Amino acid sequence: QITLKDSGPTLVKPTETLTLTCSFSGFSLSSSAVGVGWVRQPPGKALEWLALLSWDDDKRYSPSLKSRLTITKDTSKNQVVLTMTNMDPVDTATYYCAQSWAILVRGLIRPKYFQYWGQGTLVTVSS
Amino acid sequence: QSALTQPASVSGSPGQSITISCTGTSSDVGGYDYVSWYQQHPDKAPRLMIYEVTSRPSGVSNRFSGSKSGNTASLTISGLQAEDEADYYCSSYSNSSTLVVFGGGTKLTVL
Repeated sequence: QITLKDSGPTLVKPTETLTLTCSFSGFSLSSSAVGVGWVRQPPGKALEWLALLSWDDDKRYSPSLKSRLTITKDTSKNQVVLTMTNMDPVDTATYYCAQSWAILVRGLIRPKYFQYWGQGTLVTVSS
Repeated sequence: QSALTQPASVSGSPGQSITISCTGTSSDVGGYDYVSWYQQHPDKAPRLMIYEVTSRPSGVSNRFSGSKSGNTASLTISGLQAEDEADYYCSSYSNSSTLVVFGGGTKLTVL
């Protein structure tokens, strides 16, 4: 059974750095074709892809947020961590981690879909 | 503004069928068979309903089906039930620098 649980602060101040942790079980991030990604959803708005970490440690980011995002893994703890710097009130959203299936084509990762999702963490950015 | 275009809302009566469209470009929907659909009930995490255009994960009702023609993918729900009332999002791999794109979401109302 695959489960993911995302966790982190519910309130951060503007300019602070957000650190979110995704703890997962039922799969290994060392297994081929597996990835873990982050997706956010501002209140009442659509889903937005943020970042993806693949089984071979390939890291990809949304170009609009790339300068502010870092995704890392701790394979021994079955955790993936996302940090976002310089938080702003427009970053207020529910942040989800999700398990992804992907393939490599000519050395480039192609995420196919997100199958399992964490429950989401609502992060409010306010002073 | 989302990369993929979906209608803001659709509605149908119990037992009827509805179709939700998702229009992209040849860089995403039209170019690859990596279109997926997610159902989201209020205050819940998204749930995968369709992957790789037409495939259903285990546990998803066969009332849900997916298709694609050119740059437009579609999700069809047949035999509408009250529990189908939710938001639906399409998603696709993109060969642009934005690796994964989502639609703006469609609110399904079961009348």
